[in-house]
Amino acid sequence: SQQGEEDPQALSIQEGENATMNCSYKTSINNLQWYRQNSGRGLVHLILIRSNEREKHSGRLRVTLDTSKKSSSLLITASRAADTASYFCATGTGANNLFFGTGTRLTVIP
Amino acid sequence: DTAVSQTPKYLVTQMGNDKSIKCEQNLGHDTMYWYKQDSKKFLKIMFSYNNKELIINETVPNRFSPKSPDKAHLNLHINSLELGDSAVYFCASSVRADSYEQYFGPGTRLTVT
Repeated sequence: SQQGEEDPQALSIQEGENATMNCSYKTSINNLQWYRQNSGRGLVHLILIRSNEREKHSGRLRVTLDTSKKSSSLLITASRAADTASYFCATGTGANNLFFGTGTRLTVIP
Repeated sequence: DTAVSQTPKYLVTQMGNDKSIKCEQNLGHDTMYWYKQDSKKFLKIMFSYNNKELIINETVPNRFSPKSPDKAHLNLHINSLELGDSAVYFCASSVRADSYEQYFGPGTRLTVT
């Protein structure tokens, strides 16, 4: 299928540590997005990286994209307890056919 | 200032019933979506509407019908509910049909008994 697959499924770290999660996909894409979902809430858009970009930063977030390996990584630096959430990558060739994975559940321990 | 809102937040109903979930966005966006998130957290798009016109329908049973009275609202009506319909349903919107960033509502947890 075209959906992204996040790895690991769950990640538990201490506050202040960095968290890295990965996304792999199977088909060609125009862009890849990362979203965050707090428990019982809707998804919140974090960052979009286009297929011709290799790295992008937004605050404590760093996203990389390797189209040759069909993979992306999301790095959260200096994690905080408030970063506890599920993180999803979304891939697609257009806005109307976004495919989400099942997410990485991140727990940041204070 | 709620951007995308859904009602109800929780919905418990019996098999065979008909129910509706409402969604409203006050962002002035042209395109709205409905997603279904199953128990494994897999999020799958069901519909999108652009200026009140359905532009995609991803193999969703015809028991599900989106209704859009205006571009700020996209309601989801479900007929003859089945156990497998139990999930969390999310409404979302984007500026235009070709915009990639989507804004999600808080979700409606539907439980069919």
